[in-house]
Amino acid sequence: GESVGLHLPTLSVQEGDNSIINCAYSNSASDYFIWYKQESGKGPQFIIDIRSNMDKRQGQRVTVLLNKTVKHLSLQIAATQPGDSAVYFCAEIPIEYGNKLVFGAGTILRVKS
Amino acid sequence: EAQVTQNPRYLITVTGKKLTVTCSQNMNHEYMSWYRQDPGLGLRQIYYSMNVEVTDKGDVPEGYKVSRKEKRNFPLILESPSPNQTSLYFCASSLVRGLWDGYTFGSGTRLTVV
Repeated sequence: GESVGLHLPTLSVQEGDNSIINCAYSNSASDYFIWYKQESGKGPQFIIDIRSNMDKRQGQRVTVLLNKTVKHLSLQIAATQPGDSAVYFCAEIPIEYGNKLVFGAGTILRVKS
Repeated sequence: EAQVTQNPRYLITVTGKKLTVTCSQNMNHEYMSWYRQDPGLGLRQIYYSMNVEVTDKGDVPEGYKVSRKEKRNFPLILESPSPNQTSLYFCASSLVRGLWDGYTFGSGTRLTVV
């Protein structure tokens, strides 16, 4: 598969446990954030988004938390499954850049069976 | 199936030999974009297109060209590839710029320039 994981932080979790993936974003003026999942050999896939007027949003088995005070975003995955193994990265939209996505570097999630 | 199709998936070429990576989408999307992804870095935008015949530079446009003659196609052209363009490339499209939950990526093109 495609190797984009060099030098990325890695999170290893046991199947069935909950995973928490963190992202520190750079621009305090960003008002929209997205989490993407990138499986080996595939392009990024949208997981969940959140606007800056919210501090939490839930999807199916995933929750995104936003802490604007410390410019921190987290993705929580409940009951992690082997199919969750991938690179996860956040993206932000800084207001001054117009409608443009700025991507973080990513975190590798490895699920142990 | 709604998708963004890139070709080729893998390409090894020599310095200076012009190449084109094709990108096609079947969703009637107006907005299309090219990114490169390098180890340890996030996706960086090369070029984007708001609609037919409307293209603009992204963050790392040097050494690349694009065209948008038809709505569905957005080829990436490397006129004279160099080793620093060795990377993983992604094409993406959305109905319009800003509808990010519908932003669809292709499967990527791994380019090696020797």
